[in-house]
Amino acid sequence: NAGVTQTPKFQVLKTGQSMTLQCAQDMNHNSMYWYRQDPGMGLRLIYYSASEGTTDKGEVPNGYNVSRLNKREFSLRLESAAPSQTSVYFCASSARQVHEQYFGPGTRLTVT
Amino acid sequence: AQSVSQHNHHVILSEAASLELGCNYSYGGTVNLFWYVQYPGQHLQLLLKYFSGDPLVKGIKGFEAEFIKSKFSFNLRKPSVQWSDTAEYFCAVNANTNAGKSTFGDGTTLTVKP
Repeated sequence: NAGVTQTPKFQVLKTGQSMTLQCAQDMNHNSMYWYRQDPGMGLRLIYYSASEGTTDKGEVPNGYNVSRLNKREFSLRLESAAPSQTSVYFCASSARQVHEQYFGPGTRLTVT
Repeated sequence: AQSVSQHNHHVILSEAASLELGCNYSYGGTVNLFWYVQYPGQHLQLLLKYFSGDPLVKGIKGFEAEFIKSKFSFNLRKPSVQWSDTAEYFCAVNANTNAGKSTFGDGTTLTVKP
């Protein structure tokens, strides 16, 4: 099994450009998450989807949108990228919200 | 709101030294507790978890953690570290009554000198 996959692995954007980060899991998990990781700040939850058809804001949702396309896929969109969104983005999934999470390999995004 | 505090930001040890990383959380209800590890250039992976039962839980690679409810702590331990344990370690907590959302600590970077 691939587990959690993310594309792309690296991306450089100019300020104002948009892009979508893709995430898919093949573990039949109900819940999926998007985090950003910044040095010294741990992981901060951007958005999550407790189950197919639902999405909710996390700790730092501003500037992002998400789509839970189906049970497998959960995408993160930056409509107008800003330098403050330079970060490493991790997607994760769990069988249920209270269970342990399985993480993807991450996307390193640089906004210039 | 729940929060997680990891007291040590950077720990440097020599091989064979013992390790204890502190983790405290602020939430009065029933919680589930996790330690994740992130090796250099890799994604986070689960080291161990506590849901209920024996407060001393054992994980992979010789790690263990003890849940002390009265102290709101879930400290990670290993009797003898190896160079390959060099990584960043994250404590996380979630609670059913917080929609199950996990809160992560800021992480502790462990460097083990050969």
